[in-house]
Amino acid sequence: QSVLTQPPSVSGAPGQRVTISCTGSSSDIGAGYDVHWYQQFPGTAPKPLIYGNNNRPSGVPDRFSGSKSGTSASLAITGLQAEDEADYYCQSYDSSLSGWGVFGGGTKLTVL
Amino acid sequence: EVQLVQSGAEVKKPGESLKISCKGSGYTFTSYWIGWVRQMPGKGLEWMGITYPGDSDTRYSPSFQGQVTISADKSINIAYLQWSSLRASDTAMYYCARQARYNQNFDYWGQGTLVTVSS
Repeated sequence: QSVLTQPPSVSGAPGQRVTISCTGSSSDIGAGYDVHWYQQFPGTAPKPLIYGNNNRPSGVPDRFSGSKSGTSASLAITGLQAEDEADYYCQSYDSSLSGWGVFGGGTKLTVL
Repeated sequence: EVQLVQSGAEVKKPGESLKISCKGSGYTFTSYWIGWVRQMPGKGLEWMGITYPGDSDTRYSPSFQGQVTISADKSINIAYLQWSSLRASDTAMYYCARQARYNQNFDYWGQGTLVTVSS
């Protein structure tokens, strides 16, 4: 069971806006740790999508945006395109003594 | 250009040992943490652990503590993930990834190493 909770699937039609939630707790997201997002296509390594809650690496379209509030975070995708169909994962850190990273269970985005 | 190149796919039997590698290039290897991420077939990403080649500081997720060993050889810019006794449940794709300096996200990823454990 993943520490961060994501919906297993979301869907939307081309051009629409979709959001993916990532719910944590007071020991990870709520402890002040940043949330990061990754996009993964079948058979390929994950690709960084959002870092530090709301920052896009170079080359990531501005259709992708992130936000964080309290113990949760969200990834929003506007102007949905067929090529956005992929798995999306959130990641943060646990505030325990030595600290370790935690991932969400992943969300499969289907473009209808 | 930052690159992480992982060793090739492995097929092993239960009880065997294994060490897979991840070679970093294009950056100062000793200045960034390198982590390992497991992805079992059809499943999500799991954060396993992370090592800092500069001083060998290593941290593990509680789920993987005692199950694997993460290390690095800074003289040749290679990080390792090893098992002393494999189980069928270790069958998965394993990714290495560099942790960014300031945000603790993984900013560069290796291509993955598929480990298959079967009798």
